[in-house]
Amino acid sequence: DSGVTQTPKHLITATGQRVTLRCSPRSGDLSVYWYQQSLDQGLQFLIQYYNGEERAKGNILERFSAQQFPDLHSELNLSSLELGDSALYFCASSGTSGRSYNEQFFGPGTRLTVL
Amino acid sequence: LAKTTQPISMDSYEGQEVNITCSHNNIATNDYITWYQQFPSQGPRFIIQGYKTKVTNEVASLFIPADRKSSTLSLPRVSLSDTAVYYCLVGDAAGGSYIPTFGRGTSLIVHP
Repeated sequence: DSGVTQTPKHLITATGQRVTLRCSPRSGDLSVYWYQQSLDQGLQFLIQYYNGEERAKGNILERFSAQQFPDLHSELNLSSLELGDSALYFCASSGTSGRSYNEQFFGPGTRLTVL
Repeated sequence: LAKTTQPISMDSYEGQEVNITCSHNNIATNDYITWYQQFPSQGPRFIIQGYKTKVTNEVASLFIPADRKSSTLSLPRVSLSDTAVYYCLVGDAAGGSYIPTFGRGTSLIVHP
């Protein structure tokens, strides 16, 4: 158990809909990272927040947005969903701001299926 | 942009040593190299990290040559439970931000 929690575990929805994925980092960790993992794209970094502020942005679509709240939990919002958005979405946390030497602790993931 | 290249898959047998190499030609001067292990439907898990030369912990060793353009994860005496996907991770400094960039992963299958 990494100490990172994600809800829901599974999510099935239809094209055009909007969903929210939730992540609670390990106790004391200030950084939260979001990743998308699909069969054809591998593990893709989406966005990172540190202590409530956006710190780094990767291959995140404009239809996607995220935020980190004062209690440090984070939410990833996916809107106007398309079939291609079906994937595993992982959240990870680390103790400090994004640096390559920071070990990331990954949650169990949310499996999103868009029908 | 930082990019990593790993073999797509490898096969081994119980008790053998497995070496997985990752190339990262454009690694930044201050970037560390980190390896993660992932089992099906689980999040990746940290294995080992290094900057240069050799690092060893209780589960693996990491060899990094002087030019740091590649790294080799060494798993001694693998068992069936080591069957997993192994990722190397480097960073890509974009506008001062650290962008974690995972390789496509190496699927290791350990046979009895």
